[in-house]
Amino acid sequence: GAVVSQHPSRVICKSGTSVKIECRSLDFQATTMFWYRQFPKKSLMLMATSNEGSKATYEQGVEKDKFLINHASLTLSTLTVTSAHPEDSSFYICSVRDRGDYGYTFGSGTRLTVV
Amino acid sequence: AQKITQTQPGMFVQEKEAVTLDCTYDTSDPSYGLFWYKQPSSGEMIFLIYQGSYDQQNATEGRYSLNFQKARKSANLVISASQLGDSAMYFCAMRETNDYKLSFGAGTTVTVRA
Repeated sequence: GAVVSQHPSRVICKSGTSVKIECRSLDFQATTMFWYRQFPKKSLMLMATSNEGSKATYEQGVEKDKFLINHASLTLSTLTVTSAHPEDSSFYICSVRDRGDYGYTFGSGTRLTVV
Repeated sequence: AQKITQTQPGMFVQEKEAVTLDCTYDTSDPSYGLFWYKQPSSGEMIFLIYQGSYDQQNATEGRYSLNFQKARKSANLVISASQLGDSAMYFCAMRETNDYKLSFGAGTTVTVRA
């Protein structure tokens, strides 16, 4: 499968600031990437589908202005958490829709803590 | 409605024994794919095994096998000869053909005891 790199792995930010998380597909041109959010010991909740060159498709209940997604190239999608608050603290993980029938490769995740 | 149901929040298994993790799904799509992922405490999602809805045989990958019962809409994961390194959270997921999103179950935490 594809090789996916996600950065940073951990970030602590102050309330009110914005944080950018990067998801890179290192060896595969990814037209579609997915962003998930996961609370401790809970399931992965899909936040949005990121499509290269077009606007992201957000899941119901996800604030578009809060979680900005940009997929400007076939190798990079970014998630920006704007005006972060403590309730945004979570584990964020991206995945690339890879080649083949069962091709999904996940990034290593980003643990965001807002203080 | 929940698309993927995992009813076992946590399980303990003795080292070298087998463990079965339950997963049931709900879809009206005749073509779908079922996945199992392992998530250790580090957070990475590790792909374990895949079963397509039209696959005639149950999928196997090393110590992992999938008990696919289509009529019952179940896709249980069997881990044989458990190892301490198998301790992790395990997620069942489904992809339907109308889109490429993965729907995840709530997960099962497996703890392997020495």
